[in-house]
Amino acid sequence: QVQLVQSGAEVKKPGASVKVSCKASGYTFTSYYMHWVRQAPGQGLEWMGIINPTGGSTSYAQKFQGRVTMTRDTSTSTVYMDLSSLRSDDTAVYYCARDSAGGTYHGQFDPWGQGTLVTVSS
Amino acid sequence: QSALTQPASVSGSPGQSITISCTGTSSDVGSYNFVSWYQQHPGKAPKLMIYEGSKRPSGVSIRFSGSKSGNTASLTISGLQAEDEADYYCCSYAGSSTWVFGGGTKLTVL
Repeated sequence: QVQLVQSGAEVKKPGASVKVSCKASGYTFTSYYMHWVRQAPGQGLEWMGIINPTGGSTSYAQKFQGRVTMTRDTSTSTVYMDLSSLRSDDTAVYYCARDSAGGTYHGQFDPWGQGTLVTVSS
Repeated sequence: QSALTQPASVSGSPGQSITISCTGTSSDVGSYNFVSWYQQHPGKAPKLMIYEGSKRPSGVSIRFSGSKSGNTASLTISGLQAEDEADYYCCSYAGSSTWVFGGGTKLTVL
């Protein structure tokens, strides 16, 4: 079955960087775009960006431009989200989600990873 | 990219129907047929309920339906059941390979 398994929780100090991984299985990795979405405690969902696993091209939300980098490793069917210059308000659960449109992106986020809690605290 | 506007909360009794609105602009909801809806139970990852405005993924109950008029999309849940109690989020394509979510709506089944 299609599954996205994310790396474990992280605790970081302000100013540091964090790299979250998302390993895909059960489908052809390069056939589906991948999104990253985050959710601060008690808050709503926030779209961060998208990566094309085939060529590695990316698009980021303006809010994260310059601080976020999304990459992929096709040999391990894994995508990565690197967020730098962390602040306390970056404390959130970070999710990867496949765009199930296949070969393009229609914003059909399905399935989602289990989420990775990143806590930023001094 | 401003968040789409959803009511903070809606409620209904078992068996009733409710509708959750999602208001955007002519730059997102009004311009594209790529509106999706997600259900999220506490402590869980979101689940896709509707995509491309009105399409239901396999396995999602026919009680869930979606529509759009102008800059506003809507999710309707008919025959409310206790397990429908959750947070619901809309999401729309906003052009230039970017997406925007709504602020979320808490559904209470009375």
